Amino acid sequence: EPEVTQTPSHQVTQMGQEVILRCVPISNHLYFYWYRQILGQKVEFLVSFYNNEISEKSEIFDDQFSVERPDGSNFTLKIRSTKLEDSAMYFCASSGTGIEKLFFGSGTQLSVL
Amino acid sequence: QKEVEQNSGPLSVPEGAIASLNCTYSDRGSQSFFWYRQYSGKSPELIMFIYSNGDKEDGRFTAQLNKASQYVSLLIRDSQPSDSATYLCAVSSGGSNYKLTFGKGTLLTVNP
Repeated sequence: EPEVTQTPSHQVTQMGQEVILRCVPISNHLYFYWYRQILGQKVEFLVSFYNNEISEKSEIFDDQFSVERPDGSNFTLKIRSTKLEDSAMYFCASSGTGIEKLFFGSGTQLSVL
Repeated sequence: QKEVEQNSGPLSVPEGAIASLNCTYSDRGSQSFFWYRQYSGKSPELIMFIYSNGDKEDGRFTAQLNKASQYVSLLIRDSQPSDSATYLCAVSSGGSNYKLTFGKGTLLTVNP
């Protein structure tokens, strides 16, 4: 069964450092997303991406965040200068033509020290 | 601020019983409603989605939607210990961006 792949599974970084979280969405999917979940809290929408551009972003997704689809397979989330409060599980997701089939990757646990 | 509210639980049921999970949402314009299951430390996994008022059944799972009351529920029949997880309600307002707003989830424990 096709799946969304995320790397790394765990990332530890120092406050102020840049991190890049990587995702390989399902190959024929057209819509890509990043969500995050702080421990014990809700899954929160960060950004959606379609046709090589951001289609929507949340208030969380400020200037420190960026997304990119550098080639035909990868989808990345960059945090330019990490803060302690960025510590969370970050989920990549993709869908084909409709949100009813939203597939989540296994997540990257980001710890900012 | 669009909100999705769930009773955080924990909800504890014996094996074989019916588990009933509830969710309310604040945005009357919401069009699509989803139930996800999340095991501890894992990613959300889609169980069901529902668009229209009424019931939708899939195996042991039944989703119920009442748009007038802004209420959606999930019934799990013949609950199994493997159903023990956090159940997330999620709502989409549709459009071209497909953003999901999640509730905090209800922790379900099925006791053997």
